[in-house]
Amino acid sequence: SQTIHQWPATLVQPVGSPLSLECTVEGTSNPNLYWYRQAAGRGLQLLFYSVGIGQISSEVPQNLSASRPQDRQFILSSKKLLLSDSGFYLCAWRPPMNEKLFFGSGTQLSVL
Amino acid sequence: QKEVEQNSGPLSVPEGAIASLNCTYSDRGSQSFFWYRQYSGKSPELIMSIYSNGDKEDGRFTAQLNKASQYVSLLIRDSQPSDSATYLCAVNTGFQKLVFGTGTRLLVSP
Repeated sequence: SQTIHQWPATLVQPVGSPLSLECTVEGTSNPNLYWYRQAAGRGLQLLFYSVGIGQISSEVPQNLSASRPQDRQFILSSKKLLLSDSGFYLCAWRPPMNEKLFFGSGTQLSVL
Repeated sequence: QKEVEQNSGPLSVPEGAIASLNCTYSDRGSQSFFWYRQYSGKSPELIMSIYSNGDKEDGRFTAQLNKASQYVSLLIRDSQPSDSATYLCAVNTGFQKLVFGTGTRLLVSP
């Protein structure tokens, strides 16, 4: 069966520090991969999605970037975090030829 | 205009009642619709999908779709306190991505 792993679960970082969040999917090939952010009391905002290795589409211009170095690995990064980057970050995947989206357990990021 | 709109709630219902959650969307070409349940501090969990006009039932859950009115709803029968959560409506707008509403918070009182 397919599973998605996302870590860490909680992260507290100072303003201006770098960020790296990682997500991996098991049990499938060539999944579509997504990074969403959910700010406190707000909806899910799509940040990036990828349909294949090295293919990244950005939805929101900001100081975040994403990379997909392997088929089932998706990384969210920042060189310098801002206070406004705080939120609940969710990695998600979708099987090929399937429209259903499945989420990882999320990372609660607090930038102080 | 927001692409997917939901009443933020909270919607309060007594245990055993029917909870009715509503969602409207702006893209008339949307073909796929989903309901997710999200408990506080947890990630969203897919509970229903619907693709055709009409009703789709799964246990205590019924999804309803009316493409002409651009309206999707979720009915929860025999509501339980464990159903208390935020329910997110999501619409596939094409281009490999889902757009989510801000969610409706449901409170089921014992």
